Amino acid sequence: KQEVTQIPAALSVPEGENLVLNCSFTDSAIYNLQWFRQDPGKGLTSLLLIQSSQREQTSGRLNASLDKSSGRSTLYIAASQPGDSATYLCARKDAGKSTFGDGTTLTVKP
Amino acid sequence: DAGVTQSPTHLIKTRGQQVTLRCSPKSGHDTVSWYQQALGQGPQFIFQYYEEEERQRGNFPDRFSGHQFPNYSSELNVNALLLGDSALYLCASSPFSIEETQYFGPGTRLLVL
Repeated sequence: KQEVTQIPAALSVPEGENLVLNCSFTDSAIYNLQWFRQDPGKGLTSLLLIQSSQREQTSGRLNASLDKSSGRSTLYIAASQPGDSATYLCARKDAGKSTFGDGTTLTVKP
Repeated sequence: DAGVTQSPTHLIKTRGQQVTLRCSPKSGHDTVSWYQQALGQGPQFIFQYYEEEERQRGNFPDRFSGHQFPNYSSELNVNALLLGDSALYLCASSPFSIEETQYFGPGTRLLVL
């Protein structure tokens, strides 16, 4: 069974801090890995997609890395802002479907 | 581009009833996937439709069924509703390629009483 685990489940930081969210997965034969943001009661917003042949992707203050050999991905958020408060989900994408972790709920305090 | 749209936004049903949820994919996308998200958990894959056929299915009972129309829009039907079916139902669309990003709709919040 392919599983995705996200640690920690919740994280609270002061504004301005750099932070790392972790995602681990079983079975390194993934096609790609995607990070999403979800605001309370809302749908998912795609942040970054890392193809299996890539090691990282960057968008603005966000950087995501992928290490298939160790079954890990990290999402780095630089200079966090209160508007970054949300739940962050990672998902491994295999043929036809995505398998999600349960997310890390981030709170950035002003 | 309206992105992925879903209707209705909220729905309240009673046990044993049937429900139909609708999804219109992002322009240019031909593949639609449905997910169920219980409170505090990540989305769980229900099934995927491409070329009007169910291509892959997750671990959900036959009470969950779907359909895709020639214009690529899709419906999710759930029969004999249970209290445990209460969740946020998310639709995702993409081109039929493993390389492409999935785009999610805002979801339909279903409450079964």
